[in-house]
Amino acid sequence: DGGITQSPKYLFRKEGQNVTLSCEQNLNHDAMYWYRQDPGQGLRLIYYSQIVNDFQKGDIAEGYSVSREKKESFPLTVTSAQKNPTAFYLCASEADWANGYTFGSGTRLTVV
Amino acid sequence: AQRVTQPEKLLSVFKGAPVELKCNYSYSGSPELFWYVQYSRQRLQLLLRHISRESIKGFTADLNKGETSFHLKKPFAQEEDSAMYYCALSASGGGNKLTFGTGTQLKVEL
Repeated sequence: DGGITQSPKYLFRKEGQNVTLSCEQNLNHDAMYWYRQDPGQGLRLIYYSQIVNDFQKGDIAEGYSVSREKKESFPLTVTSAQKNPTAFYLCASEADWANGYTFGSGTRLTVV
Repeated sequence: AQRVTQPEKLLSVFKGAPVELKCNYSYSGSPELFWYVQYSRQRLQLLLRHISRESIKGFTADLNKGETSFHLKKPFAQEEDSAMYYCALSASGGGNKLTFGTGTQLKVEL
């Protein structure tokens, strides 16, 4: 059963710590995306990758980092430099423009 | 830079009434517009794209370049239409990355 999996569903982090959110897809999609969702602000693009070993910054990349070593995986690291990391994070993949994004179920990160 | 505006956070209608979810955009080029929907306890998913000019679940949306709008419409609302709706824009040459609006929560009351 093909799909996109984000883990964990809930994540708690202490201030000053880096944390990595997992995103894995078995859809054979080339493009992958990370969005952040905050109440009243919709979805904002953090990073995206259109092909393995290549990625670009989105609108709010500061304090985040990514890697794309495999087609299936696009992990997001929230670093201690991110000033307001508590949010809901969504990962998406896309085979082609015509079929739109396939979204994961999200990870809710809370800084304690 | 492109921008998508959804002026209504919440839209409440009665079952059987017409629905219009507003979406306006700001972009100097030729945009591609989408509507995404998130039903309760489900993932965000594509509802429809302007270029396909299709009707999905009774919903339609027409791109009006003069008014820079892409409103989502349905003539008769159903209870199962209750969901969060997001309008999104892809800029030409933008690598398919989407700019989303803030979303409108549609509530269909009996």
